[in-house]
Amino acid sequence: KAGVTQTPRYLIKTRGQQVTLSCSPISGHRSVSWYQQTPGQGLQFLFEYFSETQRNKGNFPGRFSGRQFSNSRSEMNVSTLELGDSALYLCASSLSGGYNEQFFGPGTRLTVL
Amino acid sequence: AQSVTQLDSQVPVFEEAPVELRCNYSSSVSVYLFWYVQYPNQGLQLLLKYLSGSTLVKGINGFEAEFNKSQTSFHLRKPSVHISDTAEYFCAVCAGTSYDKVIFGPGTSLSVIP
Repeated sequence: KAGVTQTPRYLIKTRGQQVTLSCSPISGHRSVSWYQQTPGQGLQFLFEYFSETQRNKGNFPGRFSGRQFSNSRSEMNVSTLELGDSALYLCASSLSGGYNEQFFGPGTRLTVL
Repeated sequence: AQSVTQLDSQVPVFEEAPVELRCNYSSSVSVYLFWYVQYPNQGLQLLLKYLSGSTLVKGINGFEAEFNKSQTSFHLRKPSVHISDTAEYFCAVCAGTSYDKVIFGPGTSLSVIP
């Protein structure tokens, strides 16, 4: 069974631009969560989507948004990029959320110049 | 609110030696506890979890952890490490039933020396 895939693996953007990251979950998984990982703040939860609906949301500004498609694939968008948005963005999928094990993708490394 | 402390940011250990990675948490309610491992250029992988029951939890790759409620700790141990165990290890606590309630620790970098 294929794992969680994220594209692209690396991105370089400049301040003020916007970016879209993509995540394909494991087949059959309906829950997709996004996390931001930085050296200073560590791992922080962004949001979770389940059956095309945002189910939970972390404490991030509205510049961070996401969506989920009918095939469970998910995208995350960051508008008006700031230097502080440079991070590793991780996507994780699970069967249905809750205490079901999450399987993480390798992440997208975003650098904002 | 919950918080997680991993006292050691870096732990060097010789191959085949035992290792303990420390995790302490604070919470006013009952929590569930997890350990994750992150290899270079990869995402996180669940090593083990404590939801209820026996306080000694066995995970993958020969790791185990013990939940100590009185000391609010969940230390990770392995009796004999291998070079391939070199990675970042994260302790996490969850006070609810959804991922937004999961708080991750800052991580411990384990370096296994040949």
